[in-house]
Amino acid sequence: QQQVKQSPQSLIVQKGGISIINCAYENTAFDYFPWYQQFPGKGPALLIAIRPDVSEKKEGRFTISFNKSAKQFSLHIMDSQPGDSATYFCAAYSGAGSYQLTFGKGTKLSVIP
Amino acid sequence: NAGVTQTPKFQVLKTGQSMTLQCAQDMNHNSMYWYRQDPGMGLRLIYYSASEGTTDKGEVPNGYNVSRLNKREFSLRLESAAPSQTSVYFCASSGLALSGELFFGEGSRLTVL
Repeated sequence: QQQVKQSPQSLIVQKGGISIINCAYENTAFDYFPWYQQFPGKGPALLIAIRPDVSEKKEGRFTISFNKSAKQFSLHIMDSQPGDSATYFCAAYSGAGSYQLTFGKGTKLSVIP
Repeated sequence: NAGVTQTPKFQVLKTGQSMTLQCAQDMNHNSMYWYRQDPGMGLRLIYYSASEGTTDKGEVPNGYNVSRLNKREFSLRLESAAPSQTSVYFCASSGLALSGELFFGEGSRLTVL
């Protein structure tokens, strides 16, 4: 049972463009939504995260938009750069009951010059 | 700061052989985790340890055992390796007990022939 659905699987964006990655979740107990960035040959690293009491969080060129009623959240990368080329994972975490951090299957982003 | 260190980085095994993946963190974190990453499958939790002295099963624990040796170290053992265990294994830690904010190692690539 996949509790976090991520799309698209791959994304090609021109330098300077906007990259958008979408995620949807099912479990309403999730209360923390991080995004991880992974470069080839490296481990994932926390990029940005949001809690459901806010609808948007911005850090530099990276913005998370969150729609609690639709159970959806998305990552926007403004002014995309070739250095942003990586795999991005959304995730959802619930602190209630047993430990549960569920990852999406990932989006491979390629930013072309 | 080394962060989370995994050894070995690469390993080739024959079916039925055993091996242990080692993980150590120097951030004084309480919780530690083992994930596996397979193409198109995202990150799946194998085992986790909320604190020294405790371990719990994750989503895909079959065929694995873990040991939380002390606060710094958390090892993953394959008793009888199978080709289905060919994967990239990541160790992670979190400062807050069982949180969604994880710090990952660089991974251990395991091939089982």
